[in-house]
Amino acid sequence: AQSVTQPDIHITVSEGASLELRCNYSYGATPYLFWYVQSPGQGLQLLLKYFSGDTLVQGIKGFEAEFKRSQSSFNLRKPSVHWSDAAEYFCAVSGGRPNFGNEKLTFGTGTRLTIIP
Amino acid sequence: KAGVTQTPRYLIKTRGQQVTLSCSPISGHRSVSWYQQTPGQGLQFLFEYFSETQRNKGNFPGRFSGRQFSNSRSEMNVSTLELGDSALYLCASSLEAGGTGELFFGEGSRLTVL
Repeated sequence: AQSVTQPDIHITVSEGASLELRCNYSYGATPYLFWYVQSPGQGLQLLLKYFSGDTLVQGIKGFEAEFKRSQSSFNLRKPSVHWSDAAEYFCAVSGGRPNFGNEKLTFGTGTRLTIIP
Repeated sequence: KAGVTQTPRYLIKTRGQQVTLSCSPISGHRSVSWYQQTPGQGLQFLFEYFSETQRNKGNFPGRFSGRQFSNSRSEMNVSTLELGDSALYLCASSLEAGGTGELFFGEGSRLTVL
């Protein structure tokens, strides 16, 4: 079964500083990888996704992530954070079609991001 | 277009009662997934429906059930509520079945069991 590990429960960064959120996955084949963001009291919003091809993917709000198969990682980065980026970030993995039974999206436990002025 | 709508947004129940939560997906989306979110367990997959058929189910007891109607609207039901069922229940819709496409989440239904 697939799994996702987000080793950092809480990260604090200064506004304008760079950010990297870590994500490690476990899946036997090529995974489908996602990053979602959840603001307080809101549902989740997709930031970016990786299915195949270029291992560096660009997302919304200036975020990017890099898929590294050798490290089973899919870390999220942003060169300069804004106060509005304060939220909880979730990495997720699925097996994709047609792997029935592995299709469901499995989420990590999340990383809470705090921005200080 | 309108996003995913979940009702009710907040509800309080007592142990032993049952609850039904509703989810209206984005127009045109035929896949609806349900997740339970708690501080201790994070986001746990409950089930996914596509074209009125349950495609996938998570590791939850039989007290948790769901269904999907012909208009893609979905409901989930929890019977014989326990204190541990207190959580935010999130519904998500997508165009495609399975975890291949973007999920669009509602704001959730927050259930408190007393």
